[in-house]
Amino acid sequence: RKEVEQDPGPFNVPEGATVAFNCTYSNSASQSFFWYRQDCRKEPKLLMSVYSSGNEDGRFTAQLNRASQYISLLIRDSKLSDSATYLCVVKDGGSYIPTFGRGTSLIVHP
Amino acid sequence: EPEVTQTPSHQVTQMGQEVILRCVPISNHLYFYWYRQILGQKVEFLVSFYNNEISEKSEIFDDQFSVERPDGSNFTLKIRSTKLEDSAMYFCASSREQGLYTDTQYFGPGTRLTVL
Repeated sequence: RKEVEQDPGPFNVPEGATVAFNCTYSNSASQSFFWYRQDCRKEPKLLMSVYSSGNEDGRFTAQLNRASQYISLLIRDSKLSDSATYLCVVKDGGSYIPTFGRGTSLIVHP
Repeated sequence: EPEVTQTPSHQVTQMGQEVILRCVPISNHLYFYWYRQILGQKVEFLVSFYNNEISEKSEIFDDQFSVERPDGSNFTLKIRSTKLEDSAMYFCASSREQGLYTDTQYFGPGTRLTVL
């Protein structure tokens, strides 16, 4: 069974803080990885893809560790608007269908 | 900016009744999907649809479920005889392409289905 595990949190941080989330996946054949953001009772929205070499998009940095089978998301200089649930998503080599984690809740407070 | 739309936003039905959830994907997209999310749980894939046929489906997508693209714009999910455990948020999504390293799926706002 394919598992994608995340710490549900919540991570409660002040504005301006740096926060990091990890996500572990069980299938060593997993090929592609993504972070999505989901606001309360809203649809998931793609935040960023995760590349083997790591990638950065503004205040967000994603890393992949294939040996330990986890991906991470680092958010620098947190904003109030970053408050949301962050979903880890994994695709395997044999299918285009994504497997979602349950998400990590982030609350950024003033 | 083009977006995926879904109707209704909330559907309440009695156990055993049939429901049809409707979606209008982005107009130049070719791949269509349904997902569900039970309250407090993870998003789960149900089915993908391309070229007027199902391309993949999950274990959840049993004989009670069906999908259809009745015209050039709508994409529907039918649940034939609803059960209490079908209560969830149902998201439609669409993408122009489908790939392992791309994930350009755009999700609709969802339909909250409540089965009483």
